Amino acid sequence: RKEVEQDPGPFNVPEGATVAFNCTYSNSASQSFFWYRQDCRKEPKLLMSVYSSGNEDGRFTAQLNRASQYISLLIRDSKLSDSATYLCVVNMLADSWGKLQFGAGTQVVVTP
Amino acid sequence: NAGVTQTPKFQVLKTGQSMTLQCAQDMNHEYMSWYRQDPGMGLRLIHYSVGAGITDQGEVPNGYNVSRSTTEDFPLRLLSAAPSQTSVYFCASRGRGGETQYFGPGTRLLVL
Repeated sequence: RKEVEQDPGPFNVPEGATVAFNCTYSNSASQSFFWYRQDCRKEPKLLMSVYSSGNEDGRFTAQLNRASQYISLLIRDSKLSDSATYLCVVNMLADSWGKLQFGAGTQVVVTP
Repeated sequence: NAGVTQTPKFQVLKTGQSMTLQCAQDMNHEYMSWYRQDPGMGLRLIHYSVGAGITDQGEVPNGYNVSRSTTEDFPLRLLSAAPSQTSVYFCASRGRGGETQYFGPGTRLLVL
């Protein structure tokens, strides 16, 4: 079983619509959580950290559910530029380095 | 700041050849790491370093060596290339206490 699992998609979303997807993690002791965005053939870039209380950054909302061991990302009012692969990243350890575990990514395609 | 730089961008090797993938960062980050990314899989940690002179193995270290003689540089050496090492390689760095991991643009390696 993978440490971090994501639905690979693709999620085909009309422009202006809302899309949401989850990521599950296996280690209940995981400490911190992130969403990274990766454009085709480019490097991953941090989209947002995920906090216990949930957090919002513009059109993006991230939630953490520790009891069920998943995090979610919701994109409102989707733009064509939101088309990308979204990587779920989990920090398994509490030490200062930690061992980041990456999901394989969820592909989102926003269509006109 | 250039951020994290990697060279070369592309490389084709024959089985058995050796080469070094270069990585440098100008953000004075203590933590540096190497990942490989294969289709359908998340980024997998090859080796990492928590400071100059200190390196450790990640999830998939076999066939690779690293060294960290300076804070800025973290080269990855392929000792005897194999077709299974065909992949996209990303170098990343993070400051102590920082949440964001910054990635280089990647090196696409094909081993024939």
